[in-house]
Amino acid sequence: KAGVTQTPRYLIKTRGQQVTLSCSPISGHRSVSWYQQTPGQGLQFLFEYFSETQRNKGNFPGRFSGRQFSNSRSEMNVSTLELGDSALYLCASSVTGANYGYTFGSGTRLTVV
Amino acid sequence: AQKVTQAQTEISVVEKEDVTLDCVYETRDTTYYLFWYKQPPSGELVFLIRRNSFDEQNEISGRYSWNFQKSTSSFNFTITASQVVDSAVYFCALSDLPSSGGSNYKLTFGKGTLLTVNP
Repeated sequence: KAGVTQTPRYLIKTRGQQVTLSCSPISGHRSVSWYQQTPGQGLQFLFEYFSETQRNKGNFPGRFSGRQFSNSRSEMNVSTLELGDSALYLCASSVTGANYGYTFGSGTRLTVV
Repeated sequence: AQKVTQAQTEISVVEKEDVTLDCVYETRDTTYYLFWYKQPPSGELVFLIRRNSFDEQNEISGRYSWNFQKSTSSFNFTITASQVVDSAVYFCALSDLPSSGGSNYKLTFGKGTLLTVNP
């Protein structure tokens, strides 16, 4: 059974640019969440998508957005990149229902220069 | 607001030693979930255990054991007879209740504890 797949693994962007990260959940998982991990702030919740709808959002500026497609694949977008956006972005998927834990991908390491 | 505190930033042990990772949480919810995740150098968060707030039964799984004490808001994790492969960052996490519509919960993570097991 394939795990959560995130692409690309590494990315280098320039300040002011925008970036799109992709996440393919485990087959059958309909919930996808995104987390940002930085040395200073640790792991922080960005948002969660379920059935193509954003269900939950963390405390991040509007430059951070996402979407989910009908096949449950998800993308997150960061516009007008800042140096502080450099982080490991982790995607996690889960089946529907409240009693299941998340399975995380290996993440996308974004470096903004 | 929810908060998870892992007071130990780094722990270094010699192989075969037992090691306990501490986790203290804060929440106003009466029903919640607690988790431990492991993050090896590859970056992926590996799920270890989930506990709900009304199940204080402690558990042992192989070399791993967990001690959940609601009275002290603690959810500690012990590795018995540690091995070099246990070296990783360990995260304790707390979730709130799921939002409406069948979606899942969001996780509030602690800062993590870097465990180094030396041969």
